[in-house]
Amino acid sequence: KAGVTQTPRYLIKTRGQQVTLSCSPISGHRSVSWYQQTPGQGLQFLFEYFSETQRNKGNFPGRFSGRQFSNSRSEMNVSTLELGDSALYLCASSLAFLRGTEAFFGQGTRLTVV
Amino acid sequence: AQRVTQPEKLLSVFKGAPVELKCNYSYSGSPELFWYVQYSRQRLQLLLRHISRESIKGFTADLNKGETSFHLKKPFAQEEDSAMYYCALSPALYNTDKLIFGTGTRLQVFP
Repeated sequence: KAGVTQTPRYLIKTRGQQVTLSCSPISGHRSVSWYQQTPGQGLQFLFEYFSETQRNKGNFPGRFSGRQFSNSRSEMNVSTLELGDSALYLCASSLAFLRGTEAFFGQGTRLTVV
Repeated sequence: AQRVTQPEKLLSVFKGAPVELKCNYSYSGSPELFWYVQYSRQRLQLLLRHISRESIKGFTADLNKGETSFHLKKPFAQEEDSAMYYCALSPALYNTDKLIFGTGTRLQVFP
């Protein structure tokens, strides 16, 4: 079966702009999580969604938001981009919203803010 | 605070040598711990989790609650083991897919 698909793979944006990243989970997976990966901070949890509801949110400013659709696809949005938002954004899906469930990761969207 | 620490950024060994990737955690409850691996140009993927008590690709990891550690071990390293390894903690008692990751250790296995 197809893995987690993230689009686009690469993005270059200017400071102050906004960006929307998309994630299509594995078919049948209803839980989607987002992570930001940077060389300095590593992998940091952004938020997670299950049944179109945000269940948890990490320590990121309100400029970072997301949503999940009825088909479990998810988008994350970053408004008023800053240089420090340059990172690899990873999406992960899992079969159940259950602690300890295996997370399946996408290949990520690399965002560069100039 | 909930935290995962991987003290080594880089670990270099020769093929056939034993490998131990260190992971320490800080968590007040009963932890769920994982090792994820990222091979070159591949996605991050689950290697093993402590609740399964399994050996994957020759790797094992034992949860030591007294030392709050979950070190990853393999008796004889192979070149194909070269990758980035992340230790991760599932922090909550309630249902969540949230993972807290360590900063990762790059394992280089030389021929």
